[in-house]
Amino acid sequence: GAGVSQTPSNKVTEKGKYVELRCDPISGHTALYWYRQSLGQGPEFLIYFQGTGAADDSGLPNDRFFAVRPEGSVSTLKIQRTERGDSAVYLCASSPDRENTGELFFGEGSRLTVL
Amino acid sequence: GENVEQHPSTLSVQEGDSAVIKCTYSDSASNYFPWYKQELGKGPQLIIDIRSNVGEKKDQRIAVTLNKTAKHFSLHITETQPEDSAVYFCAGDSNYQLIWGAGTKLIIKP
Repeated sequence: GAGVSQTPSNKVTEKGKYVELRCDPISGHTALYWYRQSLGQGPEFLIYFQGTGAADDSGLPNDRFFAVRPEGSVSTLKIQRTERGDSAVYLCASSPDRENTGELFFGEGSRLTVL
Repeated sequence: GENVEQHPSTLSVQEGDSAVIKCTYSDSASNYFPWYKQELGKGPQLIIDIRSNVGEKKDQRIAVTLNKTAKHFSLHITETQPEDSAVYFCAGDSNYQLIWGAGTKLIIKP
């Protein structure tokens, strides 16, 4: 069956540009998470959606980062005025239900490089 | 908030030997402790998890132990095989988020 799909797999951009990263979760999964992973580190929480609403966006580093999930399925992470420090792998994960903390199903990530 | 520390950062073992990775956490309210395996270029994948109402859980060659009093938990892999080579992450829950350790790179020597 289809897992979590993330596009693009690689994105190279210049400092100051705008980027969008897309996540297509497993069908039927109501919970969706975005994480950021730097080299040699564990995933760092960014934002969590339950359905269409952002239930917890406490991990977003600043107001240049924004994420949407308008129909409760596909999500887009948007980064404005990119900086070199934004370079990382952005991971998306989904799970059936957040009420009982359980397995997260991750995509392969989108590697963002800001030159 | 929760802080999860993981040791060692790199572990090299002979094929067939056992590997142990240890994590400590700070939030006594944490109740869920998963272990994820990440292969190069892939997303993390859950291999085993444990909840605070049990002290040990086993799944074939993999086991996890939890000591809530000491706030530490460990991953044990027995009879290691080449395909066990990967980066392993522990995590603990905090306010329904997962706080992750920095990872352990496990190298299986032939």
